[in-house]
Amino acid sequence: DQQVKQNSPSLSVQEGRISILNCDYTNSMFDYFLWYKKYPAEGPTFLISISSIKDKNEDGRFTVFLNKSAKHLSLHIVPSQPGDSAVYFCAARARGGADGLTFGKGTHLIIQP
Amino acid sequence: NAGVTQTPKFRVLKTGQSMTLLCAQDMNHEYMYWYRQDPGMGLRLIHYSVGEGTTAKGEVPDGYNVSRLKKQNFLLGLESAAPSQTSVYFCASSYPGTLQETQYFGPGTRLLVL
Repeated sequence: DQQVKQNSPSLSVQEGRISILNCDYTNSMFDYFLWYKKYPAEGPTFLISISSIKDKNEDGRFTVFLNKSAKHLSLHIVPSQPGDSAVYFCAARARGGADGLTFGKGTHLIIQP
Repeated sequence: NAGVTQTPKFRVLKTGQSMTLLCAQDMNHEYMYWYRQDPGMGLRLIHYSVGEGTTAKGEVPDGYNVSRLKKQNFLLGLESAAPSQTSVYFCASSYPGTLQETQYFGPGTRLLVL
């Protein structure tokens, strides 16, 4: 039973255009959401996060949108750059939880020149 | 400031052998975690610790044990390795108590069990 779903295993976007990565969740207890970026043979690195009390958080080229009623969040990258090519994981934490993050399976973003 | 480090980077084991993976962090974080990542899967939590001397089970704890004798170290043990434990293991740490708690990950240990 997957509580965090990333339904697109891969996404190809042209350099300079917008990349939109999607994530759905089922657990109503999740109150904090994160996006991690992962390059091959490296650990995940934190990218951006959003609390359930907000619907948008922006950091430079990266914006995360949260739609609580739809249990959906998305990561927008604009403009996309070649260095953005990586696997992106959506993760969620349950309210009051110290017990780790629940991850989606990841989306492999490929930025084409 | 090295962040989160993991030892070893890569290891090959035979079925039934034992080993210990070491995670160390120098950020004075209270919480530490062990995850595993399998091909086509997200990271899954094995065990975690909310402080020195405390540990708890995560989503996939079977076949693993952990210890947190020092705040900066979190050890993951495999008593009798099985091929199903072939995976990439990631350690993470975080500082609790803030709304914007973020986990910081190590570079991973790649384990192959034959």
